[in-house]
Amino acid sequence: AQTVTQSQPEMSVQEAETVTLSCTYDTSESNYYLFWYKQPPSRQMILVIRQEAYKQQNATENRFSVNFQKAAKSFSLKISDSQLGDTAMYFCAFMKHNTGNQFYFGTGTSLTVIP
Amino acid sequence: GAGVSQSPRYKVAKRGQDVALRCDPISGHVSLFWYQQALGQGPEFLTYFQNEAQLDKSGLPSDRFFAERPEGSVSTLKIQRTQQEDSAVYLCASSLRLSVDEQFFGPGTRLTVL
Repeated sequence: AQTVTQSQPEMSVQEAETVTLSCTYDTSESNYYLFWYKQPPSRQMILVIRQEAYKQQNATENRFSVNFQKAAKSFSLKISDSQLGDTAMYFCAFMKHNTGNQFYFGTGTSLTVIP
Repeated sequence: GAGVSQSPRYKVAKRGQDVALRCDPISGHVSLFWYQQALGQGPEFLTYFQNEAQLDKSGLPSDRFFAERPEGSVSTLKIQRTQQEDSAVYLCASSLRLSVDEQFFGPGTRLTVL
């Protein structure tokens, strides 16, 4: 079974500062994908960034980047230049390769950006 | 519409009632997923469809839960004889293909069972 752990239930960051959200996972799979989803108070989940496990290079999307450590099974999200609109729940998710494409989600981290 | 829509957005049911939750995926999306999100938790997989075929229903918590997608577009999640533990937000997501495509989520239906 796959498990995803987010050990930080709540975090806060000053506007324009940088924050890192942690995620670890457990799997026996060798091929898989990792995702960060954002869920603002309106509740619609939005994809932030994704990483293919076979790629060594860390994914980057504008102010969002990941630190993927495959051996350590760690997948942290770094948000640079935090903006008020970044306030949301952030979910780390795991997807096995070629098997149904269902997500395994962590319990989430509630991020508040303070003006 | 441009995104995934779900209805109703909120549903209150008395214990023992049957409920039906609707999902309208993005037009043309082949895959459709249902998730259950309990308060303070991450979404948990319930079932998914490729077109009208239900390929995996391993996440459905009991035989009171039933999902269908008869014409390969709109899907309905039905819960019979609702129990208090069924209270949760039910999320629907769709993706273009059955591959590692981005899943687009709807706003969810918040079900409260009294």
